[in-house]
Amino acid sequence: GENVEQHPSTLSVQEGDSAVIKCTYSDSASNYFPWYKQELGKGPQLIIDIRSNVGEKKDQRIAVTLNKTAKHFSLHITETQPEDSAVYFCAASAYYGKLTFGQGTILTVHP
Amino acid sequence: KAGVTQTPRYLIKTRGQQVTLSCSPISGHRSVSWYQQTPGQGLQFLFEYFSETQRNKGNFPGRFSGRQFSNSRSEMNVSTLELGDSALYLCASSWDRGAYNEQFFGPGTRLTVL
Repeated sequence: GENVEQHPSTLSVQEGDSAVIKCTYSDSASNYFPWYKQELGKGPQLIIDIRSNVGEKKDQRIAVTLNKTAKHFSLHITETQPEDSAVYFCAASAYYGKLTFGQGTILTVHP
Repeated sequence: KAGVTQTPRYLIKTRGQQVTLSCSPISGHRSVSWYQQTPGQGLQFLFEYFSETQRNKGNFPGRFSGRQFSNSRSEMNVSTLELGDSALYLCASSWDRGAYNEQFFGPGTRLTVL
């Protein structure tokens, strides 16, 4: 089955710096790659996603890139703010309704 | 527009008991997926329902089951609870329009098995 590896497991940055989280997936049938942010006591919140026919997508300070050949996708957050501190999950989907998640990255943004 | 709601938010059970969790999707969403989140295993897919039919199932024992009603609301049931079933159970709903699979999560039900 699908396997998603996510790195790093923890990431500490200074406010204003950029943060990059990387994921790899194993199932070449995967065609949808969302990113979620989870804050303490809450469910995961969809922050951005990308489909297999697109190489890059940007939404204000957040961007995601996809390399289908290498089966890599990455999340880039620029001008980080303390409120960006949370756990971030990447996921991949090849089948309706099923997301396979990475292990998560704890991002801490220091003021 | 109301988000995904899950009830109850917290639950404490003892080993051997059974439990039923409920999920109400975003209005108009017809697909509901369930996930288990634990510190050790992370977020794992349980099953997905669409139009009252289970379309997809993860690698969990038969003690875990679910169903979906005609109004798209869904329930999941865990029978003969084990200590290892303690987890945050999340449901997510989506429009399910072809390749679009944006899933929106509820706040989860925190299950503690003693």
